[in-house]
Amino acid sequence: DAGITQSPRHKVTETGTPVTLRCHQTENHRYMYWYRQDPGHGLRLIHYSYGVKDTDKGEVSDGYSVSRSKTEDFLLTLESATSSQTSVYFCAISDRDSNQPQHFGDGTRLSIL
Amino acid sequence: AQKVTQAQTEISVVEKEDVTLDCVYETRDTTYYLFWYKQPPSGELVFLIRRNSFDEQNEISGRYSWNFQKSTSSFNFTITASQVVDSAVYFCALGFGGGTSYGKLTFGQGTILTVHP
Repeated sequence: DAGITQSPRHKVTETGTPVTLRCHQTENHRYMYWYRQDPGHGLRLIHYSYGVKDTDKGEVSDGYSVSRSKTEDFLLTLESATSSQTSVYFCAISDRDSNQPQHFGDGTRLSIL
Repeated sequence: AQKVTQAQTEISVVEKEDVTLDCVYETRDTTYYLFWYKQPPSGELVFLIRRNSFDEQNEISGRYSWNFQKSTSSFNFTITASQVVDSAVYFCALGFGGGTSYGKLTFGQGTILTVHP
């Protein structure tokens, strides 16, 4: 299995609170991604990173921010969580040089009440 | 804009039947990748196959086969002699091939496959 660890795996929190999800990789891959999965939508890209401190927005980035201060960690922050951000969040990694396909973490189930 | 359409929301079959999952994509890029992922009830995403835009050869892996046709922008997935363990949600995805956008995936909405004993 690709070395991707997401934490926490489950979280319940209240509207208006800040939330940070962590993705940690041991593969030294350059590219990292955050997706959310909702019924009827498949997975949608929130933000991605193409290197340390290099990030860009995805399809559904409103209300989210990210940071990548080192290769192995990619943090997703909900500044002020809303009920519409209740979802399952997946981190993924890929690396063009190694020609490995994109692999996903096991997901974080986030519920905002 | 990139788009992936999986027209079949749910498919139900009886074990040992063959089943084909359809995937149609849209992109203006000339270099791209197509993927299939499986999501079993346990929730993780399992990589099944990746195809690049320059390789239209069909592929067979055990009971799985894939038919890539650029002329119809389709990348269909067939399971032969389905088994109960094949029950899962299957996602087709389209990926970028170059630059800083490498690896960004656009997913279809998924097809729920249920295989009954």
